Amino acid sequence: EPEVTQTPSHQVTQMGQEVILRCVPISNHLYFYWYRQILGQKVEFLVSFYNNEISEKSEIFDDQFSVERPDGSNFTLKIRSTKLEDSAMYFCASASGGQETQYFGPGTRLLVL
Amino acid sequence: GEDVEQSLFLSVREGDSSVINCTYTDSSSTYLYWYKQEPGAGLQLLTYIFSNMDMKQDQRLTVLLNKKDKHLSLRIADTQTGDSAIYFCAESGKAAGNKLTFGGGTRVLVKP
Repeated sequence: EPEVTQTPSHQVTQMGQEVILRCVPISNHLYFYWYRQILGQKVEFLVSFYNNEISEKSEIFDDQFSVERPDGSNFTLKIRSTKLEDSAMYFCASASGGQETQYFGPGTRLLVL
Repeated sequence: GEDVEQSLFLSVREGDSSVINCTYTDSSSTYLYWYKQEPGAGLQLLTYIFSNMDMKQDQRLTVLLNKKDKHLSLRIADTQTGDSAIYFCAESGKAAGNKLTFGGGTRVLVKP
């Protein structure tokens, strides 16, 4: 069964460094999403992406965040200058249509020191 | 904005039924979902219900939706130790590509 994959599974970085989190969505899906879950808190929406552009973003998704689909398979989230409060589990999701079910990857646990 | 609330914890004996409850505020929700998260793992879609339905059954899982009260529940029949996990309720609205709004999750502990 097709699944969403994410790399790396864990990343530790120093405050102020740039990180790129990678996702490979399910191959025929057209809608892509990033969510995050700070330890002990709710899963929060960050951004949705369709047709090579952002369709919606939350107030969390400020200028230090960016997303890209550099080729036909990868979907990346870049955090330009990480802060301590960016430490969280980051989930990628994809869907075949805008109202279709979102399938989630296993997540990348990011720790900013 | 939208809000989704769940109780924090549920303890149940193996073989009994579990009922996990969820309330939401967005009356324009089109789909409501249940996801399962096992320790160290991602979010696994369990089931979903369209907002014009009252009930959906899928093997051991039964979803009930009370749209008037904005209340969603997930019943797991014959709960097994493998059902121990965190269960998240989520809703999505009408817009294409719409985001999911999650509840805080209910930790279910199944005791032998």
